[in-house]
Amino acid sequence: GNSVTQMEGPVTLSEEAFLTINCTYTATGYPSLFWYVQYPGEGLQLLLKATKADDKGSNKGFEATYRKETTSFHLEKGSVQVSDSAVYFCALLNTNAGKSTFGDGTTLTVKP
Amino acid sequence: NAGVMQNPRHLVRRRGQEARLRCSPMKGHSHVYWYRQLPEEGLKFMVYLQKENIIDESGMPKERFSAEFPKEGPSILRIQQVVRGDSAAYFCASSPLTQLGANVLTFGAGSRLTVL
Repeated sequence: GNSVTQMEGPVTLSEEAFLTINCTYTATGYPSLFWYVQYPGEGLQLLLKATKADDKGSNKGFEATYRKETTSFHLEKGSVQVSDSAVYFCALLNTNAGKSTFGDGTTLTVKP
Repeated sequence: NAGVMQNPRHLVRRRGQEARLRCSPMKGHSHVYWYRQLPEEGLKFMVYLQKENIIDESGMPKERFSAEFPKEGPSILRIQQVVRGDSAAYFCASSPLTQLGANVLTFGAGSRLTVL
């Protein structure tokens, strides 16, 4: 079956620090990969996506590259801000299934 | 263009009562998904529906839970005879009818159920 494993949190960083949140997946075929972000009290919002191997998704300074050889989709940002504090979810969508599979989420807290 | 609308945002029920959660998908979206987020846990898939049709309910508990997406009106997630373990945030998401593998989900703000 499909599964997503995320780096356990919580993660606490100082403003302007470098961020990496690891994500690895198990899936049959060629899934699309996503990062969603959830701010307190809100639903999830799409942050970025990649639909095939070696694609790089990017948005708001965040990046993730679809690595088929290591089945990974690690999220990175060069300089985090306090406003980036949120829960980040890695997800995959397989082409032969209608539903997305999510990781358990990683809570990021950025301190000024 | 309103996003995915869920109501109620907060619902309190006593054990044994029924909970009904409603979701109106984004305009133009024909697919609805329900996910549950238990405290300190990730999102778990429950059910995937199109209008008048359940596509995948592999994540739904076998008893007490049901979902529908009628031709007219919102999608409804119904939980009968609630127990404390049903306390969670229930998120609805919708997507358009597009090529599989590229369907980005648009989430609602969630309905937080508390069972006393």
